[in-house]
Amino acid sequence: DIQMTQSPSSLSASIGGRVTITCRASQGIGIDLGWYQQKPGQAPKRLIYAASSLQSGVPSRFSASGSGTEFTLTISSLQPEDFATYYCLQHYTYPHTFGQGTKLEIK
Amino acid sequence: QVQLQESGPRLVKPSETLSLTCSVSGSSLTSYYWTWIRLTPGKGLQWIGQIYFTGTTNYNPSLESRVTMSVDSSKNQLSLNLSSVTAADSAIYYCARDSGMFGADYWGRGTLVTVSS
Repeated sequence: DIQMTQSPSSLSASIGGRVTITCRASQGIGIDLGWYQQKPGQAPKRLIYAASSLQSGVPSRFSASGSGTEFTLTISSLQPEDFATYYCLQHYTYPHTFGQGTKLEIK
Repeated sequence: QVQLQESGPRLVKPSETLSLTCSVSGSSLTSYYWTWIRLTPGKGLQWIGQIYFTGTTNYNPSLESRVTMSVDSSKNQLSLNLSSVTAADSAIYYCARDSGMFGADYWGRGTLVTVSS
């Protein structure tokens, strides 16, 4: 299985601040990666597909980059609704695998 | 608007079979993969497997011996069966639509299943 190492596991930031979350794949996955936001009791929401493409309707303060084994998600100008848990997911090969998640909390 | 909703028993006894249904609205099952995923406190998100609308499946090897997935196009529903469950199978179970090329896009809200006697 491809291991997705996501860091940090938790993060505190201020409203208006900027954060970056990283996922590293144990082998190359091209750009077959998505980023998801999850809030308790809600369906996970896809923010990014194909490593860097913004899902329709997602605010432009979310951006992502990477290919191969290293990927980043950046959230600039943090808003109250951004405090949630974020996951990466590789779909390059079976089984698809997730990062461990990053819980973003308000400082 | 694509919506998915998981349903099924919230409590399952050890050694029994967990059976869940995912009802899909706003999307045909055709031309998509349909995925089951679970969230456990200890292991985070785990991809259980997926089924193409034709019935072709891919299961996580760690669960393959106990998992069965099916689609019912007439009802626009998916099903998940997980046999011989233990407490370790207690989780929030999600279904999701997967385009194949771009991965999972829409997810359900999930359903909490507890395995306990």
